[in-house]
Amino acid sequence: NAGVTQTPKFQVLKTGQSMTLQCAQDMNHEYMSWYRQDPGMGLRLIHYSVGAGITDQGEVPNGYNVSRSTTEDFPLRLLSAAPSQTSVYFCASSYSIGQQETQYFGPGTRLLVL
Amino acid sequence: GQNIDQPTEMTATEGAIVQINCTYQTSGFNGLFWYQQHAGEAPTFLSYNVLDGLEEKGRFSSFLSRSKGYSYLLLKELQMKDSASYLCAAAKRGSQGNLIFGKGTKLSVKP
Repeated sequence: NAGVTQTPKFQVLKTGQSMTLQCAQDMNHEYMSWYRQDPGMGLRLIHYSVGAGITDQGEVPNGYNVSRSTTEDFPLRLLSAAPSQTSVYFCASSYSIGQQETQYFGPGTRLLVL
Repeated sequence: GQNIDQPTEMTATEGAIVQINCTYQTSGFNGLFWYQQHAGEAPTFLSYNVLDGLEEKGRFSSFLSRSKGYSYLLLKELQMKDSASYLCAAAKRGSQGNLIFGKGTKLSVKP
């Protein structure tokens, strides 16, 4: 299993440009999430999905869109990039059995918006 | 409200034991995750505690007290490679992957 994969690893955008960060998992996990990590802020949830066709907003959703057409893929779209979106973005997938949960992170995408 | 607190930085000596504390206030709390994150890398799963008590996994152990809103991660026989940030995250009941993270504790292990 490849686990959780993310592309690209690095990206530089100009203000106003749009792009899609890709995330895929091959573990058949129901749940997928997008986080951003900024210095001194910890990981903050952007959007999450509990299954194909179902998405919901997290703590910091503004400026981002998501969709979940398949169990495997959960792309994150930046509609019009702003310097405040410079960050490291992590995708995660998880499953639960009873009360036990396990969540795995992808390697991250480092985004710089000029 | 929701709040997770953990110390910003800690220093320990190789071979020693260190305890990293985490306190949380989360409505509908279900369980507590611990992750390790080396600089420039993704977080890696260490443990998930749902029930009160201590769970041991090799050199790492994690403790949870639901009544006190308190958890700790215990690292024994510290090695230089344990220098990393340790992230505490609360899962809400039925969270389905939606976690609330603390800001992380940066641990430096010195010879």
